Amino acid sequence: NAGVTQTPKFRILKIGQSMTLQCTQDMNHNYMYWYRQDPGMGLKLIYYSVGAGITDKGEVPNGYNVSRSTTEDFPLRLELAAPSQTSVYFCASKGGVQETQYFGPGTRLLVL
Amino acid sequence: AQKITQTQPGMFVQEKEAVTLDCTYDTSDQSYGLFWYKQPSSGEMIFLIYQGSYDEQNATEGRYSLNFQKARKSANLVISASQLGDSAMYFCAMREGRRGSGGYQKVTFGTGTKLQVIP
Repeated sequence: NAGVTQTPKFRILKIGQSMTLQCTQDMNHNYMYWYRQDPGMGLKLIYYSVGAGITDKGEVPNGYNVSRSTTEDFPLRLELAAPSQTSVYFCASKGGVQETQYFGPGTRLLVL
Repeated sequence: AQKITQTQPGMFVQEKEAVTLDCTYDTSDQSYGLFWYKQPSSGEMIFLIYQGSYDEQNATEGRYSLNFQKARKSANLVISASQLGDSAMYFCAMREGRRGSGGYQKVTFGTGTKLQVIP
């Protein structure tokens, strides 16, 4: 049981480039989330999904897009990267009796 | 208004001593859940402990316990017998909405408390 996996672990982008952050979970959780964590700050919700085919915006969705074609995968797409998107991105899934969020290891993104 | 407030940006504790990290929350829901996560310098988010709003007893997990005071809307984390490996950021979080309702359950995080354990 790998839990929540994210790739890549680290990436440097140039301004205007695009990329997709991958997230996969093997716990059969319906709920999945994308957060960003800026240095010294807490987590801010970008997008979330309550199941395959259903996604919705969180607090800071601008500049991002998501899709959820399967229960397992929840990729986050950055279009036209900007320096303000330099951050650590965490994917999480939620489930279990206590409906706890389980986090992936994070992706560090630097936009120059 | 902040949904989750952690008023201690940083804390120091002597090794082997107990420490309390504060968390207050704001919600109008009757059903909610409270969580604490640990984030060491390596960056991963580690789930520590959970308290449901209807749970009558305070949650405990090993050296971690949650001091839940519903009327005061506080959910403080108590770490007993601190160890050097406890040095990390600690985040309090709240899930609103009835568990298993099928609808969206918003999870809100506090800004964190940086704990440093002194040898």
